[in-house]
Amino acid sequence: GQNIDQPTEMTATEGAIVQINCTYQTSGFNGLFWYQQHAGEAPTFLSYNVLDGLEEKGRFSSFLSRSKGYSYLLLKELQMKDSASYLCAAEDSNYQLIWGAGTKLIIKP
Amino acid sequence: IAGITQAPTSQILAAGRRMTLRCTQDMRHNAMYWYRQDLGLGLRLIHYSNTAGTTGKGEVPDGYSVSRANTDDFPLTLASAVPSQTSVYFCASSRTSGGTDTQYFGPGTRLTVL
Repeated sequence: GQNIDQPTEMTATEGAIVQINCTYQTSGFNGLFWYQQHAGEAPTFLSYNVLDGLEEKGRFSSFLSRSKGYSYLLLKELQMKDSASYLCAAEDSNYQLIWGAGTKLIIKP
Repeated sequence: IAGITQAPTSQILAAGRRMTLRCTQDMRHNAMYWYRQDLGLGLRLIHYSNTAGTTGKGEVPDGYSVSRANTDDFPLTLASAVPSQTSVYFCASSRTSGGTDTQYFGPGTRLTVL
């Protein structure tokens, strides 16, 4: 079967760094997406990885290891506005996204 | 402003009633999707359309139908609503149906079936 695992909730301090992990098992693999979703709002795109390695985009970075079925999202210099859920989604062989349940990130001052 | 709109924003519906959720995009995207989001579960694909005139079933299609008469509109119909269809429904679109194309989401419709 197809499955995405990510922690349900994480807590971090303003100004710190946090790493949100995601493991995936899919029928084929065509890439890994990370989305941010604030409470009561729509998901918005953060990053896409298809090759192994780290992709950096400002305060946010995303890493992929295809051989391990593993990705992480790294958030630096945390701000209160980063409090949100972070959704991991793997693209299967049919180019359909298989979504994790999301990690709720709580930022404390 | 370019984007995706959904209507209604929220709705309370009696079980057994028919309901159509509307979705319109003005980005000329070929692919469109309907997801439901339930607490503790990931987004689940209900139906999708890779291009106008074609539709396909996702992970949880039972009880739902869609049509794609043109590029911009992708309505979702619940023929006879049941309480298990209480959820938040998101419509999304992407330039094409695969590869690196990002999916853009509408604001969602919160549906309660009593």
